[in-house]
Amino acid sequence: DIVLTQSPGTLSLSPGERATLACRASQTFTNRFLAWYQQRPGQAPRLLIYSASRRATGIPDRFSGSGSGTDFTLTISRLEPEDFAVYYCQLYGSPPPGTFGQGTKVEI
Amino acid sequence: EVQLVESGGALVQPGGSLRLSCAVSGFDVGRHFMAWVRQAPGKGLEWVSVLYSGGFPFYADSVGGRFTVSRDESNNTLYLQMNSLRADDTAMYYCARDMNLGLFEYWGQGTLVIVSS
Repeated sequence: DIVLTQSPGTLSLSPGERATLACRASQTFTNRFLAWYQQRPGQAPRLLIYSASRRATGIPDRFSGSGSGTDFTLTISRLEPEDFAVYYCQLYGSPPPGTFGQGTKVEI
Repeated sequence: EVQLVESGGALVQPGGSLRLSCAVSGFDVGRHFMAWVRQAPGKGLEWVSVLYSGGFPFYADSVGGRFTVSRDESNNTLYLQMNSLRADDTAMYYCARDMNLGLFEYWGQGTLVIVSS
C-alpha cells in the first residue's frame, strides 16, 4: 500500500501569512490522484482540492494545489482566521480508497 | 441541497453490535458511491467501508468480517452494521458521498461510537 507522509506536523503562522503544506507518497502511482481536505475543529472534513490542483466547488482561490510523482503541495496564499485547521491529503481513483496522510495542523 | 445526517452512535460494550444510519437528501443513494469514514479521538481519518454501484462493497482490513455496509433506496439511507465491536472502533463515524473511487465530496456531521465497558 502507498503511504502518504505529511509535513510538517504543525505549522504555526499568523493571519495573512502564506502556508505551504507537503504530502509525500511512498512510491509513484498510476490510476490514482491526490486530494486535500480541510477539517476545522469540531467539524466534518471538507474537500478542498482534487486531481492535485483542481479546487472543489466553492473553495476560495487562495487555496492551490500542485505537484506530481511523489511530492505534492497545498498552498494557502494568505491565511484567513477560518483557515486554521487540520489538512489531510489522500489518494483516490482506484478501489479501494487510498489511506489518508496523518494530517498537518495549521495553528495561529 | 445535499444533506447527509448520521445517527445511531452510542456507548456500547466490547463485543456488542450497533447499526449506524445515514439519511440522505438531495441525491439518490442508489445512484452514487457511498462511504463510511471514521476518526478516533484526536487521530486522523480512516476510511472504513465503501459501497459501489451494483452494491459491491469494500472494507478496510481493520473492520472486514465485522462490519457490513448496505443501503435502502426506498428511504434513501445508508447503513453500517457493526458487530464484535472493540475498543479501537471508538470513533466519530462519518458518511460521505464518494464521487470518484475514494474522493469524498459531501460529508455528514458524524455520529459518535464509544466502545467501552
